[in-house]
Amino acid sequence: DAKTTQPPSMDCAEGRAANLPCNHSTISGNEYVYWYRQIHSQGPQYIIHGLKNNETNEMASLIITEDRKSSTLILPHATLRDTAVYYCIVGGNTPLVFGKGTRLSVIA
Amino acid sequence: KAGVTQTPRYLIKTRGQQVTLSCSPISGHRSVSWYQQTPGQGLQFLFEYFSETQRNKGNFPGRFSGRQFSNSRSEMNVSTLELGDSALYLCASSLDGPPLDGYTFGSGTRLTVV
Repeated sequence: DAKTTQPPSMDCAEGRAANLPCNHSTISGNEYVYWYRQIHSQGPQYIIHGLKNNETNEMASLIITEDRKSSTLILPHATLRDTAVYYCIVGGNTPLVFGKGTRLSVIA
Repeated sequence: KAGVTQTPRYLIKTRGQQVTLSCSPISGHRSVSWYQQTPGQGLQFLFEYFSETQRNKGNFPGRFSGRQFSNSRSEMNVSTLELGDSALYLCASSLDGPPLDGYTFGSGTRLTVV
């Protein structure tokens, strides 16, 4: 079973920041937080992952709370092409377990 | 660089038949994982291969099997197909597998069993 809890859906206005929350209260010390997204009919796309520190790449930022029990994925300027299902996954040296994710709709 | 290539993209089979799906990972990637995606169950892990050895296995019946070749290409086989095997089968590759790096997924093979 997935170890994360995400809201089933969210809306975001185009051009605004999209902040996607994820709860992972049972995360272990050596487990990472991964984010993937899946645009309709395509394979999931890796976005970012982190252990303790906040991370940023060209796609997004990942903010992990100090107690590591929750995190937020931030898409700084959402576009219509960011409409997708976003999966937050917690894992270590084991296969990634996908939950149901958050369906993000970016609205013009 | 070339991505993960899965063939065929679409497949229609009859109940009771068997099927083989192919996955070519990104050059240099040694880990290949397979997932099944259905509307009801979402993405479910099938198995992972690393350097030609099965490293992890999900909770699927023995009808589902796989292998990896020395060039890291992987195949999965489903025997005695059932209607419930209709799904999108996704292959993902990475250098060494979690946790150090993320997966790159292919576009999948959509299998329909009739």
